[in-house]
Amino acid sequence: KAGVTQTPRYLIKTRGQQVTLSCSPISGHRSVSWYQQTPGQGLQFLFEYFSETQRNKGNFPGRFSGRQFSNSRSEMNVSTLELGDSALYLCASQMGSSGNTIYFGEGSWLTVV
Amino acid sequence: QKEVEQDPGPLSVPEGAIVSLNCTYSNSAFQYFMWYRQYSRKGPELLMYTYSSGNKEDGRFTAQVDKSSKYISLFIRDSQPSDSATYLCAMSARPGGFKTIFGAGTRLFVKA
Repeated sequence: KAGVTQTPRYLIKTRGQQVTLSCSPISGHRSVSWYQQTPGQGLQFLFEYFSETQRNKGNFPGRFSGRQFSNSRSEMNVSTLELGDSALYLCASQMGSSGNTIYFGEGSWLTVV
Repeated sequence: QKEVEQDPGPLSVPEGAIVSLNCTYSNSAFQYFMWYRQYSRKGPELLMYTYSSGNKEDGRFTAQVDKSSKYISLFIRDSQPSDSATYLCAMSARPGGFKTIFGAGTRLFVKA
């Protein structure tokens, strides 16, 4: 059974640009969450989608947005990139709205220069 | 004060040692407790999942939850160099991903 797949794995962007990250959840999983991981702040929750609807959002500015498609695949977008957005962005999936465990992808490493 | 406190380490132990990793928390509503292992440049992988208080054992790993003290632990017996990774505790008040709070992670090095 394939795990959570994230693309791209590594990318470098310039301040002011925007970036789109993609996530394919485990087959059959309908919930996708996004997290930002940095050495200083650890893992921080960005948002969660279930059946194409954003259910919850963390404390991030509006530059961070996401969406989920009918096949459960999800994308997140960061506009007007700042240096502080450099981080590992992790996607996680779970089976349903009240699944017990989160399964993470390998992450997308974003460097903003 | 953070909801979940975890010593970032690093923690260095010789091969074969018993490792104890710990987290404290402040939210008494937390009922679901997890431990994740994260290798360098990889995503976290679920190691242990526990509901409420008590112990849970899986091979060389034992997870322990003491809700009265708001303290959780992960013990690794007969530690191996392959156990070298960052270990993150995580907890939530309800099942599922929403509002899962993660600790900062403890970096563990097991020396051969």
